Amino acid sequence: QQQVKQSPQSLIVQKGGIPIINCAYENTAFDYFPWYQQFPGKGPALLIAIRPDVSEKKEGRFTISFNKSAKQFSLHIMDSQPGDSATYFCAASEGTDKLIFGTGTRLQVFP
Amino acid sequence: ETGVTQTPRHLVMGMTNKKSLKCEQHLGHNAMYWYKQSAKKPLELMFVYSLEERVENNSVPSRFSPECPNSSHLFLHLHTLQPEDSALYLCASSYLTGRDSGYTFGSGTRLTVV
Repeated sequence: QQQVKQSPQSLIVQKGGIPIINCAYENTAFDYFPWYQQFPGKGPALLIAIRPDVSEKKEGRFTISFNKSAKQFSLHIMDSQPGDSATYFCAASEGTDKLIFGTGTRLQVFP
Repeated sequence: ETGVTQTPRHLVMGMTNKKSLKCEQHLGHNAMYWYKQSAKKPLELMFVYSLEERVENNSVPSRFSPECPNSSHLFLHLHTLQPEDSALYLCASSYLTGRDSGYTFGSGTRLTVV
């Protein structure tokens, strides 16, 4: 009930490609869905977040798509760059505290 | 720096040692968290402090003991750890429920238990 399942575990794309990372959840009480980006040697940093009253949110090259009926949400990175190479975590919570995180996706973007 | 500072960055300790991890934030946040990050596993929530009171303890072994003396500081006291406790320990802070500014994480303490 508390799990957030994330896939794929790793992803390799060429510069300009559109990597997509998917997450699924079970707890219908979850109402806050953030994505975090983590570079080596650093802690995760908030990238973008969505609430279930909208189906899509864009911030720069990052887009979250949200499907409430399927209990799934995904991160799309448009025109990916080598600097986007990092580990991405989805998360979910009821309210904005006590986040439950996915297992992470290691993204590598090659020039 | 993100505004959340963790010290030390690296720690190697024997199973019989006692050590403490420190976390400090001056963002005006009123909730603080300890997470454990192990390879290929989700970030595991260990402890939550809200307004300096512990509100969550996720079945963490007693060899981990948190302390939150004020809203800006959080400690994790360690004693008689096991090798499987080796991981990256992350501190985070946030506002209480109601704001979407999310968590601010520190860079973590890489702990190795030998």
